Amino acid sequence: GAVVSQHPSRVICKSGTSVKIECRSLDFQATTMFWYRQFPKQSLMLMATSNEGSKATYEQGVEKDKFLINHASLTLSTLTVTSAHPEDSSFYICSAEDRKAFFGQGTRLTVV
Amino acid sequence: RKEVEQDPGPFNVPEGATVAFNCTYSNSASQSFFWYRQDCRKEPKLLMSVYSSGNEDGRFTAQLNRASQYISLLIRDSKLSDSATYLCVVNSVNNNNDMRFGAGTRLTVKP
Repeated sequence: GAVVSQHPSRVICKSGTSVKIECRSLDFQATTMFWYRQFPKQSLMLMATSNEGSKATYEQGVEKDKFLINHASLTLSTLTVTSAHPEDSSFYICSAEDRKAFFGQGTRLTVV
Repeated sequence: RKEVEQDPGPFNVPEGATVAFNCTYSNSASQSFFWYRQDCRKEPKLLMSVYSSGNEDGRFTAQLNRASQYISLLIRDSKLSDSATYLCVVNSVNNNNDMRFGAGTRLTVKP
């Protein structure tokens, strides 16, 4: 079946630094990938839609200058959390679709 | 109103019990429906798609009622390993056809 690989799986960073998360579709091409965020005991919330070769589409309330998305190839999308703060600590998950949604393993970000 | 709403749960059931989860969606034009399972601190994984005629996979049965915009998941003969959060997922029928998630229903199966 389709596989989506995401890394790192866990990262701890200092407040004010930037963190890059990668999402790769390993055995299929994905012109569109999705980035979600999940706070403890809450549902996944769509942050943005990553479009290969064009600008990402951000959901309302998500700062595009803070969460930079780059989708330079058909198999790779990256999410960079810039100037991270403790309130950005969360579980970030990407997904890509090959008739169904397949998810990366998620990245647990802790900002200290 | 949320696009996808689920039973809040949590559901705590004994092994062997039958348990049902319900989900409603707001966009009548939605086309694709799924149940995902999410274990604690892990990514969601597809449990099963939901088809108009209803479908079954072992102990799991999914139903779709388009008129009522309602989806259900029935788990028979619950196992301890069924303990997880079950997410109702509906495609949002916009240009990108992205998925929208319900808040999830937590199930705990006890010995």
